[in-house]
Amino acid sequence: GQNIDQPTEMTATEGAIVQINCTYQTSGFNGLFWYQQHAGEAPTFLSYNVLDGLEEKGRFSSFLSRSKGYSYLLLKELQMKDSASYLCANMDSNYQLIWGAGTKLIIKP
Amino acid sequence: DGGITQSPKYLFRKEGQNVTLSCEQNLNHDAMYWYRQDPGQGLRLIYYSQIVNDFQKGDIAEGYSVSREKKESFPLTVTSAQKNPTAFYLCASNRGEAGELFFGEGSRLTVL
Repeated sequence: GQNIDQPTEMTATEGAIVQINCTYQTSGFNGLFWYQQHAGEAPTFLSYNVLDGLEEKGRFSSFLSRSKGYSYLLLKELQMKDSASYLCANMDSNYQLIWGAGTKLIIKP
Repeated sequence: DGGITQSPKYLFRKEGQNVTLSCEQNLNHDAMYWYRQDPGQGLRLIYYSQIVNDFQKGDIAEGYSVSREKKESFPLTVTSAQKNPTAFYLCASNRGEAGELFFGEGSRLTVL
């Protein structure tokens, strides 16, 4: 079966660093996406990894290990506006996205 | 500005009624998708279309119908056969395989 696992909820402090993990088991692999979704709003694209390694984009970085079926999203210098859900999604062999349930990130002052 | 427009944003329906959710994009994307989002679950694919006049069922197509008569438009009808239609519905589009998805703002349907 196809499965994406990520923690349900995480809490972090403003200004700190947080790592949100995602593990996946899917039929085939055509890339790993991370999206941010504020409550009641549409998801917005954060990153796409198809090769192993770290992709850095400002305060956000995303890492992929295909052999381990593992990715993480790293958020640095946390701001209150980073409070949101973070969705991990794997693109399978049919180019369809398989979505995790999302990690709700709570930022405290 | 290019984007995806969904309407209505909020919709209330009585049991037994069909409702149609609108999705329009001006991004010139070939592929369009409908997802359903429920609390504690990942996005689930209802229907998708990779080209005009063609569409395929996703994982949870029962009780839903779509059409793709124009490239820009991909309306979703939630029929009375859908047993639990209360949810947040998201429309998305991309250029095709492996492309980043762009989402509309969503439509929240509540069945009274």
